[in-house]
Amino acid sequence: GAVVSQHPSWVICKSGTSVKIECRSLDFQATTMFWYRQFPKQSLMLMATSNEGSKATYEQGVEKDKFLINHASLTLSTLTVTSAHPEDSSFYICSAPIGTSGDYNEQFFGPGTRLTVL
Amino acid sequence: GQNIDQPTEMTATEGAIVQINCTYQTSGFNGLFWYQQHAGEAPTFLSYNVLDGLEEKGRFSSFLSRSKGYSYLLLKELQMKDSASYLCAVMDSNYQLIWGAGTKLIIKP
Repeated sequence: GAVVSQHPSWVICKSGTSVKIECRSLDFQATTMFWYRQFPKQSLMLMATSNEGSKATYEQGVEKDKFLINHASLTLSTLTVTSAHPEDSSFYICSAPIGTSGDYNEQFFGPGTRLTVL
Repeated sequence: GQNIDQPTEMTATEGAIVQINCTYQTSGFNGLFWYQQHAGEAPTFLSYNVLDGLEEKGRFSSFLSRSKGYSYLLLKELQMKDSASYLCAVMDSNYQLIWGAGTKLIIKP
């Protein structure tokens, strides 16, 4: 099946710093990628939809200026957590669907990035 | 609002069969997914149903009834490695996934 990678796998940072997480589709092109956040023992929560060549679409309650998303190419989307605080500590997961909008029948997930903000 | 319900936790015995139920109320329906997620890892795809009926894939089967807003995941010949959380997700009319909170499955020897 298709492969999606994320980098880094885990990161520990000080409060107030910014952290960039990369999501790459390794063997297919993804015009759309999804960014999720998952707190312990909770479901995945969609944060934003990343679209290549256009602005990301953010879910209600997600701060656009805090979670910067850049879909630079058909295989790379980045999520930057700016001025991170301890409450931003979470498991961040990206996914890329196969197919075109309206015809998605499977999504491939990256391995996730565990962010800990001290 | 949109809602996905599944049991929080289930326990089963190695070698047995277990059925994990999922009920949903969403804005539109474009398919239902089941994912397996081990602790600290990203979800992995198990099944996709868009038409009513049973889809069988090895030890795992998934059933869908759109009229009832209901699905189940059936796991046969349970193995210890099947201990994980099982997530039910529905793709709504905007082609976004709405996730259930997951069912933690505990397998005992």
